[in-house]
Amino acid sequence: NAGVTQTPKFRVLKTGQSMTLLCAQDMNHEYMYWYRQDPGMGLRLIHYSVGEGTTAKGEVPDGYNVSRLKKQNFLLGLESAAPSQTSVYFCASSYPGTGDTEAFFGQGTRLTVV
Amino acid sequence: EDQVTQSPEALRLQEGESSSLNCSYTVSGLRGLFWYRQDPGKGPEFLFTLYSAGEEKEKERLKATLTKKESFLHITAPKPEDSATYLCAVRSSSGNTPLVFGKGTRLSVIA
Repeated sequence: NAGVTQTPKFRVLKTGQSMTLLCAQDMNHEYMYWYRQDPGMGLRLIHYSVGEGTTAKGEVPDGYNVSRLKKQNFLLGLESAAPSQTSVYFCASSYPGTGDTEAFFGQGTRLTVV
Repeated sequence: EDQVTQSPEALRLQEGESSSLNCSYTVSGLRGLFWYRQDPGKGPEFLFTLYSAGEEKEKERLKATLTKKESFLHITAPKPEDSATYLCAVRSSSGNTPLVFGKGTRLSVIA
């Protein structure tokens, strides 16, 4: 049981390049999230999904796109990377059970845009 | 708008010196308040969920409490291995809302 797995763990991009971050969960969770974490800023929500085929914007969605074609996968895309997108990206998933349940996080993807 | 404020930003303790971390929140109906621990270079790790004022939960040297406006994470006789960043998050009861996180408290426990 792997939990939440993020691919890749590290990546360096040149300004203007594109890439996709993959998040996979094996817990049959309905909800999935993408956060970015920057020094002094805490975890900020980029996009999230409450089920297969659905996505919604979070606090900082500009410059990112997402897709949830399969329940277990949540993809985060950067179409034209900018230095301001240098960050650590975390994916999380949770199950909206009665009373609510906690979110489980992946190990993070450290992205540097030069 | 849901908001979470954690204090202090950083805390340095001697081993065995008990203290508390604060999480103040503003939310339109609390569905749950969550505490996480995050070690450097790793993702947040779940510690506790609290649902209603007056609720308390314990795990080893950690105890989380909840009031209508804030939550405290009490650390009793901390050890160096308790050093980490502690994150607080809330989920509103209005619709399918995601977790909103505070900026965290960075705890250092010195032997």
